[in-house]
Amino acid sequence: QQQVKQSPQSLIVQKGGISIINCAYENTAFDYFPWYQQFPGKGPALLIAIRPDVSEKKEGRFTISFNKSAKQFSLHIMDSQPGDSATYFCAASIGNFGNEKLTFGTGTRLTIIP
Amino acid sequence: SAVISQKPSRDICQRGTSLTIQCQVDSQVTMMFWYRQQPGQSLTLIATANQGSEATYESGFVIDKFPISRPNLTFSTLTVSNMSPEDSSIYLCSVEVAGAFYGYTFGSGTRLTVV
Repeated sequence: QQQVKQSPQSLIVQKGGISIINCAYENTAFDYFPWYQQFPGKGPALLIAIRPDVSEKKEGRFTISFNKSAKQFSLHIMDSQPGDSATYFCAASIGNFGNEKLTFGTGTRLTIIP
Repeated sequence: SAVISQKPSRDICQRGTSLTIQCQVDSQVTMMFWYRQQPGQSLTLIATANQGSEATYESGFVIDKFPISRPNLTFSTLTVSNMSPEDSSIYLCSVEVAGAFYGYTFGSGTRLTVV
């Protein structure tokens, strides 16, 4: 059972534009929602994360928007750059921090074109 | 965050053989995990490597196929046994970073091709 659904599967955005990737979850017990960025040949790297007690978190050009009632969260990349071209995974986990198992979305391949 | 060294980075193996993948962390960590990422796919958790006790496997993964060792708080191995072409995948070690909002750190992975 797919517990975290991610869309779109691939995304092409012009340089300087806004990239938006969406995720939806089913399990209301999830309480930690990270986004990972993965470049070819590398392991995923934590980009930004949010807990459900806030609706938005911003770090530089990256913003997570969280809608608890809709069970959805999204990643916004402002002023997208070619260096942002990578695969992005949303994830979710349950429990007190330090003992969770991550459930990953299916990934979005983002391409930023000049 | 923790720095993970994973070896080998890639290998090509004959079917029926076994490969052991090593994960070394530069600091003591409580939780270590092994993931599989098939080409172009998402990450699937294989098991949690527990220090001093048997690993905890996820549904669909068994100890006979993926034996795991965790002799201390900085090191773990995953063995892929009796390999078949379906085992061709990227295998990733991940550790939890306790006490900070850094989440989980991943190694660069081992790209395994079974021929």
